[in-house]
Amino acid sequence: GEDVEQSLFLSVREGDSSVINCTYTDSSSTYLYWYKQEPGAGLQLLTYIFSNMDMKQDQRLTVLLNKKDKHLSLRIADTQTGDSAIYFCAKGPTNFGNEKLTFGTGTRLTIIP
Amino acid sequence: EAQVTQNPRYLITVTGKKLTVTCSQNMNHEYMSWYRQDPGLGLRQIYYSMNVEVTDKGDVPEGYKVSRKEKRNFPLILESPSPNQTSLYFCASSLSGTGFAGANVLTFGAGSRLTVL
Repeated sequence: GEDVEQSLFLSVREGDSSVINCTYTDSSSTYLYWYKQEPGAGLQLLTYIFSNMDMKQDQRLTVLLNKKDKHLSLRIADTQTGDSAIYFCAKGPTNFGNEKLTFGTGTRLTIIP
Repeated sequence: EAQVTQNPRYLITVTGKKLTVTCSQNMNHEYMSWYRQDPGLGLRQIYYSMNVEVTDKGDVPEGYKVSRKEKRNFPLILESPSPNQTSLYFCASSLSGTGFAGANVLTFGAGSRLTVL
């Protein structure tokens, strides 16, 4: 089956970098995603990466993809209190006609003042 | 404003009493989907729809029904709710599916918290 795993909790001091990790079992997805869920809200896309890329940077966000180890990470530089949320990694479909987006369990990021 | 609207946001009901959670999007999206979020399990897909009158099962369809009679609406129906359906439910939509050849971004509703006693 397709599993996507994340640690449930992460605490980081304000101003430090946060690194949220994700591992998956099936490497045939073409796209991998990071979504953010703020308290009481739905998920919002933060960024995504195509599977033939190793890294993608977007302002304070850096996504690293290691296909060999089936490992995806999200680094948030200069973490702020507004970054407190649950972060979900997700992997896209593995073939045409398959509309399955598989989400991880989510990592709750807590910022320590 | 482009959005996915779910109602109700909160509902407490009793076992066996049929209920419907509505979902509507104003973005002319073809693809719509329902997820449930449970602690430690992440989001699991219940049903999805590629277009009007086209629906398919996700990972956890048991106990749920859906319909897609119009492009903008995708209601989730619990014919006989049970306590194990207590959960946070999300409706989401995207332009044309979750994307194998191209990334498709899902737009999520704010969620509906359902408690079945």
